[in-house]
Amino acid sequence: GEDVEQSLFLSVREGDSSVINCTYTDSSSTYLYWYKQEPGAGLQLLTYIFSNMDMKQDQRLTVLLNKKDKHLSLRIADTQTGDSAIYFCAEATMGYQKVTFGTGTKLQVIP
Amino acid sequence: EAQVTQNPRYLITVTGKKLTVTCSQNMNHEYMSWYRQDPGLGLRQIYYSMNVEVTDKGDVPEGYKVSRKEKRNFPLILESPSPNQTSLYFCASSLGGVRDRDFNEQFFGPGTRLTVL
Repeated sequence: GEDVEQSLFLSVREGDSSVINCTYTDSSSTYLYWYKQEPGAGLQLLTYIFSNMDMKQDQRLTVLLNKKDKHLSLRIADTQTGDSAIYFCAEATMGYQKVTFGTGTKLQVIP
Repeated sequence: EAQVTQNPRYLITVTGKKLTVTCSQNMNHEYMSWYRQDPGLGLRQIYYSMNVEVTDKGDVPEGYKVSRKEKRNFPLILESPSPNQTSLYFCASSLGGVRDRDFNEQFFGPGTRLTVL
């Protein structure tokens, strides 16, 4: 089956950039997503990228997709303490019949 | 307010006592799904439903049942809970659709923390 992997933990200083990485195995993925989970809450969609795109930028967020290596990354510029959360990448195949989430990366922002 | 609601939010029960976790959405979404979240394992899909009366197994369906009799509700049933089902459960919904390039943001409920003793 599909596999989506992330490192479990990342620590950065406030004001620095954060880069959260994700690798996936399903080459038929149509959409790749980044979700954010704040403590005690459900997941909220941060951003997404369609599989025929290489990059997407949305304010402080930059998503890079390397389809050849099946590698997805999320860069957060000027990281703030409010960015502390768990970040999940996810992939979905055409028709959205199945969504597979990664293990989640806990981002800790040090003031 | 558009939302996904789950009940209960917290539940402590004993092995073998049947329970149901309800999930309801008010966005007229076709697609609904149940996940469990465990430390180091991320979110794993239990069951999903593409529409009323259409359900399918996810990655970890053993020990769970679901039903989709109406569009808005998607209850998760544990007929005989066991301690390895202690977890944080999330229900989610999205517009659905099978057309190519359909973008489907999933909206998540607040979660149900279940402890099985």
